[in-house]
Amino acid sequence: DGGITQSPKYLFRKEGQNVTLSCEQNLNHDAMYWYRQDPGQGLRLIYYSQIVNDFQKGDIAEGYSVSREKKESFPLTVTSAQKNPTAFYLCASSRSTGTGDQPQHFGDGTRLSIL
Amino acid sequence: QKEVEQDPGPLSVPEGAIVSLNCTYSNSAFQYFMWYRQYSRKGPELLMYTYSSGNKEDGRFTAQVDKSSKYISLFIRDSQPSDSATYLCAMGFGNEKLTFGTGTRLTIIP
Repeated sequence: DGGITQSPKYLFRKEGQNVTLSCEQNLNHDAMYWYRQDPGQGLRLIYYSQIVNDFQKGDIAEGYSVSREKKESFPLTVTSAQKNPTAFYLCASSRSTGTGDQPQHFGDGTRLSIL
Repeated sequence: QKEVEQDPGPLSVPEGAIVSLNCTYSNSAFQYFMWYRQYSRKGPELLMYTYSSGNKEDGRFTAQVDKSSKYISLFIRDSQPSDSATYLCAMGFGNEKLTFGTGTRLTIIP
């Protein structure tokens, strides 16, 4: 079955530690996205990538980094510079580079907590 | 003022009732409108996707877009306990990123 796989489902971060969240898709989609979801705030865009080896900052990129070395993969690193990382992180993909006219499909998320 | 407004609820209705979920928006450039359903601890699942004004029906679900009023709706007929979830609206245009509502939490009471 085609879809988006996020791992791990739960992740704990110690102070000063960087952690990496995995996102893999087998939908052959060009565009991939990372969102953060907090209660009462909806989805906020962290980074997005429309093509391999290229990505753009979203609304809340500070304290995060990404890479897009393969079409299928878009890992997100939450760095120690992100002072409030506790949230539900969602990865999404869409077929084309027209981000406004293609519906996005989501993975099942990673819940990150601070130890 | 947020670009997309959505009543967070919670909304509780008895099984079998018709549910109406709504979003209003301020940006008249929006052309594409989506509804997602999100179960607890899961990612959003695309329910409906519409372009411009009008209605779209899929089984028990109907999506309605009124661009003149900047208002979109999702109707659920014959609601079931399995419809209990958070419903997110989303909208976009051209190459701009999607804008999401904050979600409405819905509970269907058996």
